[in-house]
Amino acid sequence: DAGVIQSPRHEVTEMGQEVTLRCKPISGHDYLFWYRQTMMRGLELLIYFNNNVPIDDSGMPEDRFSAKMPNASFSTLKIQPSEPRDSAVYFCASKEAQRGGYTFGSGTRLTVV
Amino acid sequence: KQEVTQIPAALSVPEGENLVLNCSFTDSAIYNLQWFRQDPGKGLTSLLLIQSSQREQTSGRLNASLDKSSGRSTLYIAASQPGDSATYLCAVRPSTSGSRLTFGEGTQLTVNP
Repeated sequence: DAGVIQSPRHEVTEMGQEVTLRCKPISGHDYLFWYRQTMMRGLELLIYFNNNVPIDDSGMPEDRFSAKMPNASFSTLKIQPSEPRDSAVYFCASKEAQRGGYTFGSGTRLTVV
Repeated sequence: KQEVTQIPAALSVPEGENLVLNCSFTDSAIYNLQWFRQDPGKGLTSLLLIQSSQREQTSGRLNASLDKSSGRSTLYIAASQPGDSATYLCAVRPSTSGSRLTFGEGTQLTVNP
């Protein structure tokens, strides 16, 4: 298996622009998670899905952030409009069933200037 | 609210030394605990997953233990190598809050040749 695949690896955008991050989870994994990592706050859970349904989005910082999972093999995290404070590394992770461990993607490093 | 603490925050050792990284958590009602390593600018790589019913897990030179009652886990690295240099993260999945992981802040390990 190729693991959790995220794209793009790096994204530099101007403040106010829309940013879309993409994730392909491991085939057969029922859970998908979006995390954000910064030096100040460490790893923060933004949202997670179970069987394509959003379960907990309490970590989504503002209405500017939205996430979708239209099918079992694809998810997007969108920021509109982006702000400099959104600069961080965004990780996607997937997990198989209740007892499984997490597998993380390589992340997307977002820089908003 | 679950809190996870890792000590020390940073550790520098000579090659070949055996070492122990510590992780403590405040709420013992956990589902499982997972150790990750993160290389600079990279994603998280899963090392070991310990279910709440288990006491330890081993993989090669790595051994992780879990003492739920005292809220502690240790990661033992035998015969350390320069390639072990990375940040090691402990993450706890509480049994009462779905699949949300709570991460420690990590221990930054440097193994000097």
